[in-house]
Amino acid sequence: GAGVSQSPRYKVAKRGQDVALRCDPISGHVSLFWYQQALGQGPEFLTYFQNEAQLDKSGLPSDRFFAERPEGSVSTLKIQRTQQEDSAVYLCASSQAGGVGSYEQYFGPGTRLTVT
Amino acid sequence: ELKVEQNPLFLSMQEGKNYTIYCNYSTTSDRLYWYRQDPGKSLESLFVLLSNGAVKQEGRLMASLDTKARLSTLHITAAVHDLSATYFCAVEAYNTDKLIFGTGTRLQVFP
Repeated sequence: GAGVSQSPRYKVAKRGQDVALRCDPISGHVSLFWYQQALGQGPEFLTYFQNEAQLDKSGLPSDRFFAERPEGSVSTLKIQRTQQEDSAVYLCASSQAGGVGSYEQYFGPGTRLTVT
Repeated sequence: ELKVEQNPLFLSMQEGKNYTIYCNYSTTSDRLYWYRQDPGKSLESLFVLLSNGAVKQEGRLMASLDTKARLSTLHITAAVHDLSATYFCAVEAYNTDKLIFGTGTRLQVFP
């Protein structure tokens, strides 16, 4: 079946612009995660949803970052007033079920954000 | 706070040789994952290690987990050029679902 999809794949924003990144998880997957991967680094956790509930947003770097998953499927990561340090690849992952230490995460292709 | 360290960060090896990548983590966890990432691509799952003593093999790669030592290894046997990529280990933070990734090991296999 279809994997995790993300759009757009590439986004160039001028400093100060707002951006919205979309993630379509694997159908039926309960949990959805967002990670940020800076160039040459490993991914870093941003936030996590179980269905529509945002259970952990401890990794969001500032209040300019906001994520939602209103119907428990598609998720949007919004970044307001983008800064150059926001340039990174934003990865979305989904897993089958919620609960502590449950299932493997499957990653999407990522959105490469460049802030100029 | 859970920290995950990999070494080496960069590995250049000749085809046909063997080598091991190490992944150490700082606090309790029973689940460890290995991923492969090609340049400009997303993460491809290689292994999921769920318990102490777990060993999994796929082709020229073998992964193991020692939860008491908080150590996982990824062993490469008779390397081939197609294995050139960046390899990440990731540990599931205890009592959460989020993954904490290592810094990655960039592997380059040359003839």
